[in-house]
Amino acid sequence: KQEVTQIPAALSVPEGENLVLNCSFTDSAIYNLQWFRQDPGKGLTSLLLIQSSQREQTSGRLNASLDKSSGRSTLYIAASQPGDSATYLCALSGNTPLVFGKGTRLSVIA
Amino acid sequence: DTAVSQTPKYLVTQMGNDKSIKCEQNLGHDTMYWYKQDSKKFLKIMFSYNNKELIINETVPNRFSPKSPDKAHLNLHINSLELGDSAVYFCASSQDLTGGRGYTFGSGTRLTVV
Repeated sequence: KQEVTQIPAALSVPEGENLVLNCSFTDSAIYNLQWFRQDPGKGLTSLLLIQSSQREQTSGRLNASLDKSSGRSTLYIAASQPGDSATYLCALSGNTPLVFGKGTRLSVIA
Repeated sequence: DTAVSQTPKYLVTQMGNDKSIKCEQNLGHDTMYWYKQDSKKFLKIMFSYNNKELIINETVPNRFSPKSPDKAHLNLHINSLELGDSAVYFCASSQDLTGGRGYTFGSGTRLTVV
């Protein structure tokens, strides 16, 4: 059974800092890994999708990597801004529908 | 145009009532899902449907009955609501069962049972 762990659970950084969010998973038989953002009281916004054959994806200031052999993914956010404050969720699909981690709550302080 | 739309956005109801949440996707996807986000914000799969057929029922009480009249719609009916059913319910879709091209989520329905 796939288990997804996100570390840290919460993170507070000053504006402008580069940061890394971590995601680890137990079953490497995945189809893809997806990073989402959730603002308080809102829905899920897809940030990046990495197919199982890919190693990384980039969108603007965001870069996500995938290492299936070690069961890890990282989300790198460059030059963080207060508007990046949200909960970031890592999720994987494989033999079961999307399985989520518990998220990292990010606060970027101006 | 909203890709995955859910109605209502908010639902406040008394214990014991029956209620429904509707979901529609206009992405042409074959597979649809219901997820529950509990008070600790953890998202868990409840059901998945592929081309109107139930694929997964993740040990959800049988008070919850999903219905898919066609592959663009997946509704969730809940009987005899209990306090513990209070949560945010998200509908999602993917192109196929592998979800290989990613999942798209609706904006959620916040259900409060009083």
